[in-house]
Amino acid sequence: DAGVIQSPRHEVTEMGQEVTLRCKPISGHDYLFWYRQTMMRGLELLIYFNNNVPIDDSGMPEDRFSAKMPNASFSTLKIQPSEPRDSAVYFCASSRAASGEGYTFGSGTRLTVV
Amino acid sequence: KQEVTQIPAALSVPEGENLVLNCSFTDSAIYNLQWFRQDPGKGLTSLLLIQSSQREQTSGRLNASLDKSSGRSTLYIAASQPGDSATYLCAVVTGGGGNKLTFGTGTQLKVEL
Repeated sequence: DAGVIQSPRHEVTEMGQEVTLRCKPISGHDYLFWYRQTMMRGLELLIYFNNNVPIDDSGMPEDRFSAKMPNASFSTLKIQPSEPRDSAVYFCASSRAASGEGYTFGSGTRLTVV
Repeated sequence: KQEVTQIPAALSVPEGENLVLNCSFTDSAIYNLQWFRQDPGKGLTSLLLIQSSQREQTSGRLNASLDKSSGRSTLYIAASQPGDSATYLCAVVTGGGGNKLTFGTGTQLKVEL
């Protein structure tokens, strides 16, 4: 298994542009999570899905952020319009149905908004 | 709201030392607790998972303990090596919280030759 795959690894964009981050979870994992990591705030959960359905999006900072999971093998996190304060490393993770077991992170996307 | 704190924030030790990393959480109604390792520029790797009914878990030179009633966990690393240098994070799944983890702030460990 190739693990959780995120793309791109690095993204540099100008303020105001739309950014789309992509994630392919591990096959058979029922849960998918999007996290954001910054020096100031650490790891923050943005949203998570169960069987492709968004369960908790209370961590999404504002309406500029949106996430979708059209099928079991693909999810996107979109920021529109992007702002410099969105600069962070965004991680995708997936896990099996049992709480916390088999929790696997992707390598992350480092986003820089200038 | 569950809050997870780790002490110390940073630690530097000479090679060969045994060391302890601490994690505390405010809501003791947890399903489990995990310790992760994060190398610079990389994602997180799960090291040990302790279910709420367990007291400890061991993997090689790593031993994690859990005292749910007091809201504490420790990660013990025996005979530290330079390759252990990384950031260590603990995370809990809280009862009623579905499958989501609440992460601590992390301890940045450096093991020097």
